[in-house]
Amino acid sequence: GAVVSQHPSWVICKSGTSVKIECRSLDFQATTMFWYRQFPKQSLMLMATSNEGSKATYEQGVEKDKFLINHASLTLSTLTVTSAHPEDSSFYICSASRGFLPQHFGDGTRLSIL
Amino acid sequence: AQTVTQSQPEMSVQEAETVTLSCTYDTSESDYYLFWYKQPPSRQMILVIRQEAYKQQNATENRFSVNFQKAAKSFSLKISDSQLGDAAMYFCAYRSARGGGETSGSRLTFGEGTQLTVNP
Repeated sequence: GAVVSQHPSWVICKSGTSVKIECRSLDFQATTMFWYRQFPKQSLMLMATSNEGSKATYEQGVEKDKFLINHASLTLSTLTVTSAHPEDSSFYICSASRGFLPQHFGDGTRLSIL
Repeated sequence: AQTVTQSQPEMSVQEAETVTLSCTYDTSESDYYLFWYKQPPSRQMILVIRQEAYKQQNATENRFSVNFQKAAKSFSLKISDSQLGDAAMYFCAYRSARGGGETSGSRLTFGEGTQLTVNP
């Protein structure tokens, strides 16, 4: 099946730093990539949707300047958490899709801000 | 807007037995897709089964099958011969079939999830 690689899997950093998470579709060209946030024992919350070559569409309540998304190619999207604070600590998951094909998920990134 | 509801936060089943997880959804669309995803403790999202709304026949994948009731907007998952490896959080999800290339048409709407425990 389709493979989506997400890196890093776990990151710990100091408050105030910026963290970049990469999401790569390894064996197909993803026209759309999605970024989710998940708190323990809760469902996935969609943060934003990005199409290759265009600006991301953010869900209501998600700060665009805080969570920068770049989808520069059909195989790579990045999420940058700027000036991260402890409340940004969470599990972030990306997924990739092409047309009507099902979304394929990365393995997620556990972000811990000290 | 579409909504997906999973009314069972937790379920348990004995190994080798059968369990059914419930899911209901609300939509005004006639064409859509429904999914069940499994999230084990590793937190990887694994696609279990997929159903196209235009198909009357219920989807099956080995020990996993669904009961799709379009008029009732119900989409339950049945796991037969439960195994210890089936223990996970299960999410029901909805996706519109409108415009495969459109952003809004490809997004998933998830239910709250059901935590399944399999007892040996």
